[in-house]
Amino acid sequence: EIVLTQSPGTLSLSPGERATLSCRASQSVSSTYLAWYQQKPGQAPRLLIYGASSRATGIPDRFSGSGSGTDFTLTISRLEPEDFALYYCQQYGSSPYTFGQGTKLEIK
Amino acid sequence: QVQLQESGPGLVKPSETLSLTCTVSGGSVSSGSYYWSWIRQPPGKGLEWIGYIYYSGSTSYNPSLKSRVTISVDTSKNRFSLKMSSVTAADTAVYYCARGGILDFWGQGTLVTVSS
Repeated sequence: EIVLTQSPGTLSLSPGERATLSCRASQSVSSTYLAWYQQKPGQAPRLLIYGASSRATGIPDRFSGSGSGTDFTLTISRLEPEDFALYYCQQYGSSPYTFGQGTKLEIK
Repeated sequence: QVQLQESGPGLVKPSETLSLTCTVSGGSVSSGSYYWSWIRQPPGKGLEWIGYIYYSGSTSYNPSLKSRVTISVDTSKNRFSLKMSSVTAADTAVYYCARGGILDFWGQGTLVTVSS
């Protein structure tokens, strides 16, 4: 099983700042089968990024993903108030699919 | 726009079987392009992938749950289902259904509480 470790656990930033979230895998993720999700309280997660760097439909271009192998990054270039939420990475390259433990992005 | 809706009992007794159904609209579970997945989230905790099913009936399960979980599909009703046996309080969670391995469309989730 591939274990995903996200860092930091909590990130405190202000609107307009740049956010960098990390996801590290315990072994290489096949074919960059790595996704990022955003979850707000009481809501289902929303797909942001798949294939490590492809934005899902309707996702603003301030969200970008990068990385390969075992190290992946989600970057939000300029934080908007609605971006403060929980973020999860997920690998879907090998079963069982697994999620990171999440990074909470909070307003400073 | 694909929509998914979970349904089933919100309260299940310990040692009994949890049964949930996910009804799909705006898309077909018979589409050969997608898996159909179940994920759960205990209150205040992270996401756990339970498993998926393909329209043909082939499945993949999380090994940690495999002995207790069955996912099935009913193409005539455009829905798929989850059964989890011998539940305990640790199975209390919001259960989500979603499309794919890349989980691009999700249901709203349904809270299942395991309690006597």
